[in-house]
Amino acid sequence: DAKTTQPPSMDCAEGRAANLPCNHSTISGNEYVYWYRQIHSQGPQYIIHGLKNNETNEMASLIITEDRKSSTLILPHATLRDTAVYYCIVRPYSNDYKLSFGAGTTVTVRA
Amino acid sequence: GAVVSQHPSWVICKSGTSVKIECRSLDFQATTMFWYRQFPKQSLMLMATSNEGSKATYEQGVEKDKFLINHASLTLSTLTVTSAHPEDSSFYICSARVVETQYFGPGTRLLVL
Repeated sequence: DAKTTQPPSMDCAEGRAANLPCNHSTISGNEYVYWYRQIHSQGPQYIIHGLKNNETNEMASLIITEDRKSSTLILPHATLRDTAVYYCIVRPYSNDYKLSFGAGTTVTVRA
Repeated sequence: GAVVSQHPSWVICKSGTSVKIECRSLDFQATTMFWYRQFPKQSLMLMATSNEGSKATYEQGVEKDKFLINHASLTLSTLTVTSAHPEDSSFYICSARVVETQYFGPGTRLLVL
């Protein structure tokens, strides 16, 4: 499975866009990029996922580079409630649908 | 939609006893559920994959006789920690799969004294 690299921590200003990078340079053509976040002492929350195209939903946008070796999760207007650990996960297309969580990025939104 | 619940949210038990944790998909049916464990300041580690009507598949290093998983219906999976010991104290989290996405429960914190 492709590995991901994320910065260990980031600070963001409340009300501004938060851009969270993820490197997955060994990704294969049939592997998806997933983003989850985990607010302290809670279960992870699904944010978004994509294969090749950029994706947007009510929570965030996912921008995947053309070579698919990196991606960026964009939270358009960060709030204090967005403070969490954000996980970028590459999942191979398979029948088992397993997710492998790394260390993630601890995002702190400051007022 | 895609809400997953867990019960209990907190459990404290004595060493040597067994503890059962329930994971329910509230508004959808899930043929596949997953169980994870998370120790303090660490990431989630997948323990096992639970498929409705069949035996669970355990990850390497996870004792299947200690962590019993039952997925008896399309909305319920249970994890039983048998003969719990203090080192089993952890945050146990389940997820349920909808198409190609996993949705997670709120977690169960287990403390074994």
